[in-house]
Amino acid sequence: ILNVEQSPQSLHVQEGDSTNFTCSFPSSNFYALHWYRWETAKSPEALFVMTLNGDEKKKGRISATLNTKEGYSYLYIKGSQPEDSATYLCASTSGTYKYIFGTGTRLKVLA
Amino acid sequence: DTEVTQTPKHLVMGMTNKKSLKCEQHMGHRAMYWYKQKAKKPPELMFVYSYEKLSINESVPSRFSPECPNSSLLNLHLHALQPEDSALYLCASSQEGGNEKLFFGSGTQLSVL
Repeated sequence: ILNVEQSPQSLHVQEGDSTNFTCSFPSSNFYALHWYRWETAKSPEALFVMTLNGDEKKKGRISATLNTKEGYSYLYIKGSQPEDSATYLCASTSGTYKYIFGTGTRLKVLA
Repeated sequence: DTEVTQTPKHLVMGMTNKKSLKCEQHMGHRAMYWYKQKAKKPPELMFVYSYEKLSINESVPSRFSPECPNSSLLNLHLHALQPEDSALYLCASSQEGGNEKLFFGSGTQLSVL
């Protein structure tokens, strides 16, 4: 993998459903993996920064895992709520100021 | 104060105009970034300033000219842009790079006619 790739591109879920998305990144020269939430008409906001293989982070109903050997990270949302509707971006860095973003997963939670 | 402030929020300009985008942060961050994002594409890095010096220029055309007057301010000067330069321009800052999270502004939506 040469770029950062995210799947799916978009997702509609019902309120209360749990969901997850994937971020794939180059595993060579890996330094850190970031997740951001971007609500419409607002600024992207950092959720997690992970650096170690096997890292798991949690913030309320949202959690993320990291596999640096195979180059992927999962973001999980438990019991989705309408306020979780946003675009979720991941970014990979190789230790410099160069953060490479994926295209994002657009989540819509239906009430 | 954990805000990055960008002005203007919207900008329409002709191909012969000169305009500037502004970005300000007061978090004491030492790195500031310009990203460009077109619809359904990932944010694309343009420039990075580290300690007020240009450290990354991702081969951006010279019609985009960045400036970092001090550690809190970042400008992007625009001249003779093309319609394909229409995009959302995002500014961000971080304490350092790599494993430091980025703080973003809400962006300037630029339209070039």
